[in-house]
Amino acid sequence: GQQVMQIPQYQHVQEGEDFTTYCNSSTTLSNIQWYKQRPGGHPVFLIQLVKSGEVKKQKRLTFQFGEAKKNSSLHITATQTTDVGTYFCAGPSGGSNYKLTFGKGTLLTVNP
Amino acid sequence: NAGVMQNPRHLVRRRGQEARLRCSPMKGHSHVYWYRQLPEEGLKFMVYLQKENIIDESGMPKERFSAEFPKEGPSILRIQQVVRGDSAAYFCASSPTLAGATGELFFGEGSRLTVL
Repeated sequence: GQQVMQIPQYQHVQEGEDFTTYCNSSTTLSNIQWYKQRPGGHPVFLIQLVKSGEVKKQKRLTFQFGEAKKNSSLHITATQTTDVGTYFCAGPSGGSNYKLTFGKGTLLTVNP
Repeated sequence: NAGVMQNPRHLVRRRGQEARLRCSPMKGHSHVYWYRQLPEEGLKFMVYLQKENIIDESGMPKERFSAEFPKEGPSILRIQQVVRGDSAAYFCASSPTLAGATGELFFGEGSRLTVL
């Protein structure tokens, strides 16, 4: 079945440093979504990318969708302590957009 | 506008007991999805429901698990004869249209089940 891999599993940075997490799917995706989950919290939708090669920015966050629509990345510039959490990518499975396959996530911790 | 409401937030059960998890979707949302998250894992799809209909339960274990979304009241995920491996966070999500049109699933705070 479809697999979504994320690396790294953990990332610890000093406040102000940049951070990047990478997502790779075993199959071509119609779209990819990114969620953030704070420790003990619930997943919160960040963004959806649909087009091949798409790049979207949200303040310090930059999201990219690969040309082949099989990989994606999330880059955070100048991390802040409020960025702490696990970042998940997720892609639709079996042609159904509601049935998301999530990666295992990247846990970001930020040292103030 | 209240978000997706789940209760209980925490539930402890002994092996063999039943667990009932409730989810009220956001106002105006008629599509409900249940996902399970094991410790340090991503979320895994379990079931998709609309009012009075199970649309897709392909991610639900065949035994002991059931879900419903009655005409009145919250959606319920029921786990019978719980085992330790059922310990997990169970998240409910809702959307106003079939997820994918806007992309966004709105997740509740989750119900964290611990089986002793």
